[in-house]
Amino acid sequence: DTEVTQTPKHLVMGMTNKKSLKCEQHMGHRAMYWYKQKAKKPPELMFVYSYEKLSINESVPSRFSPECPNSSLLNLHLHALQPEDSALYLCASSQATGVVGGYTFGSGTRLTVV
Amino acid sequence: AQSVAQPEDQVNVAEGNPLTVKCTYSVSGNPYLFWYVQYPNRGLQFLLKYITGDNLVKGSYGFEAEFNKSQTSFHLKKPSALVSDSALYFCAVRENNNNDMRFGAGTRLTVKP
Repeated sequence: DTEVTQTPKHLVMGMTNKKSLKCEQHMGHRAMYWYKQKAKKPPELMFVYSYEKLSINESVPSRFSPECPNSSLLNLHLHALQPEDSALYLCASSQATGVVGGYTFGSGTRLTVV
Repeated sequence: AQSVAQPEDQVNVAEGNPLTVKCTYSVSGNPYLFWYVQYPNRGLQFLLKYITGDNLVKGSYGFEAEFNKSQTSFHLKKPSALVSDSALYFCAVRENNNNDMRFGAGTRLTVKP
């Protein structure tokens, strides 16, 4: 299995809703990432987990809450989002820190906040 | 912090012609450089990487890139463009192999028949 699987592919939520994005990989990668991508813009790093521990938080608002329950799963919990949070949310994984290589990206979750 | 610049928002080439998508980088340590391609409503697909060694790196789908340390550049090239190469291309850099990959603004490549 050489893929990163993200669910759901599309999500529409109201500003008072609570929802979660899910990311899964079975490549044995020990680093996982959340990126946010607005239309026609590059991906922006949100969070990095290394060996299931949060290692980078790029000053993301607390309405985004990441969780890494095990080495294969990465969740992003959403609460009280704003319309400007509408974007494509990309999950990626890579081998652990110290191992040189690129990232494997999922296809993303297209989030619309109404 | 590391960064990359892609000076062209858009590149247009005719099918069969060579293509170049430009990228320059800025790091204080050792650069690890990557190219990714993104098709509409999809995630990023890895094309190639430069870590060390030969300055000319060959990757997927006939793409290659040349690392030039003196010019701090890592331009993506292909000898003969295909219409199916039309997509958004991102250059990216990691510094000293930290877990912090930064992307350029992206270049939209359009290959016309």
